[in-house]
Amino acid sequence: SQTIHQWPATLVQPVGSPLSLECTVEGTSNPNLYWYRQAAGRGLQLLFYSVGIGQISSEVPQNLSASRPQDRQFILSSKKLLLSDSGFYLCAWSLGGDGEKLFFGSGTQLSVL
Amino acid sequence: SQKIEQNSEALNIQEGKTATLTCNYTNYSPAYLQWYRQDPGRGPVFLLLIRENEKEKRKERLKVTFDTTLKQSLFHITASQPADSATYLCALDDTGNTGKLIFGQGTTLQVKP
Repeated sequence: SQTIHQWPATLVQPVGSPLSLECTVEGTSNPNLYWYRQAAGRGLQLLFYSVGIGQISSEVPQNLSASRPQDRQFILSSKKLLLSDSGFYLCAWSLGGDGEKLFFGSGTQLSVL
Repeated sequence: SQKIEQNSEALNIQEGKTATLTCNYTNYSPAYLQWYRQDPGRGPVFLLLIRENEKEKRKERLKVTFDTTLKQSLFHITASQPADSATYLCALDDTGNTGKLIFGQGTTLQVKP
């Protein structure tokens, strides 16, 4: 069966520090991978999605970047965090195609202080 | 501009009643719409998908309708239970066949015993 791992669960970082969040998927090949952010009391905002290794689409201009060095690994990074980067970050995967549902990881609560 | 709107006010109902949640959208022509459940501090979990050519979909105590003329989906939980208390998110595809889902901000349902 397929599983998705996302870590860490919580993270407190000072402003200006770097960030690296990692997500891995097991039990499937060539998944679509996604990074979403959820601010407190807000909906899910799509940040990045990837349909293959090295293929990243950015949805909103921001202080973050994403990389997919391996088929089932998706990394969210920042060189210098801003206060506005605080939020609940969710990784997700799907088989892609028409109507495929998303499977989400357990999320990372990031607080930038 | 494109919008997905869910009632931001929490919905409080008595156990055993039917809960009805609304998802409205503008400036989209989605091929399908999905509903997810999210518990606090967790990632969303897929519940149901309904396609544009389907008027209604059922799964156990859940029912979803999709009216492409009104640009609205209704999500019903019949015989609601306290365990149904959660935030419910609707999502639709942005450009079709990409698996790229855009989410509403969610409606929190509280079922009281």
